[in-house]
Amino acid sequence: GIQVEQSPPDLILQEGANSTLRCNFSDSVNNLQWFHQNPWGQLINLFYIPSGTKQNGRLSATTVATERYSLLYISSSQTTDSGVYFCAVERKGGSYIPTFGRGTSLIVHP
Amino acid sequence: DTGVSQNPRHKITKRGQNVTFRCDPISEHNRLYWYRQTLGQGPEFLTYFQNEAQLEKSRLLSDRFSAERPKGSFSTLEIQRTEQGDSAMYLCASSTVLGYEQYFGPGTRLTVT
Repeated sequence: GIQVEQSPPDLILQEGANSTLRCNFSDSVNNLQWFHQNPWGQLINLFYIPSGTKQNGRLSATTVATERYSLLYISSSQTTDSGVYFCAVERKGGSYIPTFGRGTSLIVHP
Repeated sequence: DTGVSQNPRHKITKRGQNVTFRCDPISEHNRLYWYRQTLGQGPEFLTYFQNEAQLEKSRLLSDRFSAERPKGSFSTLEIQRTEQGDSAMYLCASSTVLGYEQYFGPGTRLTVT
């Protein structure tokens, strides 16, 4: 199956700092989503981004499908950004089943 | 519509007991997915339905696990003869038939003692 690697595994920031999270995948993909899992376990959709760049407030994401990676940018981080960020991809030509990476655990200190 | 809902939110059971979880998807979504998540891991696919048809099952889904979506609306996931290794968060997600974006419920946290 497709391999999804996320880096870094852990990240600790001071409030106000910027960060970049990376998702590498081993095969061509149809779909790619970024999620934020809050401390209560709820997965929240951030971006659906199989290619290109999107922005939503302090968050933005870029996927370079030809080079098989995606980046999630968090600017001016806040304590509420803490949690685990997951990338999930669906392999091109596969069934509609996403494969998740192991996530990046982010802690933002006040 | 308030999104995907799951019940119960927490379940503690003794080894050997059966448990059943329920998922109510977003009303216009045809596809419904079940995942399992353990500590430090991303969600792992278990099975998915399109309407009432179960189209894919992971090899993670042992014979003790069964899922149904009888009328193409809500779904249930049953685990028979629970084992301690079944302790995990069980997540449900739904999407349109195009499957582009999945929306997750809050999960059911199972603890088997």
